[in-house]
Amino acid sequence: AQKVTQAQTEISVVEKEDVTLDCVYETRDTTYYLFWYKQPPSGELVFLIRRNSFDEQNEISGRYSWNFQKSTSSFNFTITASQVVDSAVYFCALRPGGYQKVTFGTGTKLQVIP
Amino acid sequence: NAGVTQTPKFQVLKTGQSMTLQCAQDMNHEYMSWYRQDPGMGLRLIHYSVGAGITDQGEVPNGYNVSRSTTEDFPLRLLSAAPSQTSVYFCASSYSTSGALGEQFFGPGTRLTVL
Repeated sequence: AQKVTQAQTEISVVEKEDVTLDCVYETRDTTYYLFWYKQPPSGELVFLIRRNSFDEQNEISGRYSWNFQKSTSSFNFTITASQVVDSAVYFCALRPGGYQKVTFGTGTKLQVIP
Repeated sequence: NAGVTQTPKFQVLKTGQSMTLQCAQDMNHEYMSWYRQDPGMGLRLIHYSVGAGITDQGEVPNGYNVSRSTTEDFPLRLLSAAPSQTSVYFCASSYSTSGALGEQFFGPGTRLTVL
């Protein structure tokens, strides 16, 4: 069985603050993929990043960065210098290699206050 | 490319009515899935398909049927709607390259209310 836990239900930060969204996963598979998706207030789901289990290199994309640590089964997402447009629900997801079944976390709602 | 399209965007049903949520993709993706999103529950997998003619159950399949006669289309059928099926439904598709599974592309969602 696989599980994704996003313990932070809601987070509020003031604009320009840094914020980290936590994601902890459980799986027995040695090959798997981790994802982050953003759901802005308009409702669509937007892909942000994919990481496979063999690539623990951290990634930075503009103000976004991701920290993948297999030792702690975590795939955390940091937004630097947050902006109001970052206000959204963010989902972490896990997919075992070779399988279609994707397990999503319950999401973290981020509110960035101007 | 239109990506993943879903119709309708909104639907109100009475308990016991049936309906089909339509989903189509024009990216030639093998994998397609249906999810429902409920407050505090994240996205839960209903059914999925790994190719035309092949479907399987997800986490919450009861009350829903699917079929996949073509690569492009993956309709979701509610045979006898119940208030518990009030939710937002998302269809998604994804590709596979050399055994590596890609990210999912989501449709805009269908907001269903069952009275």
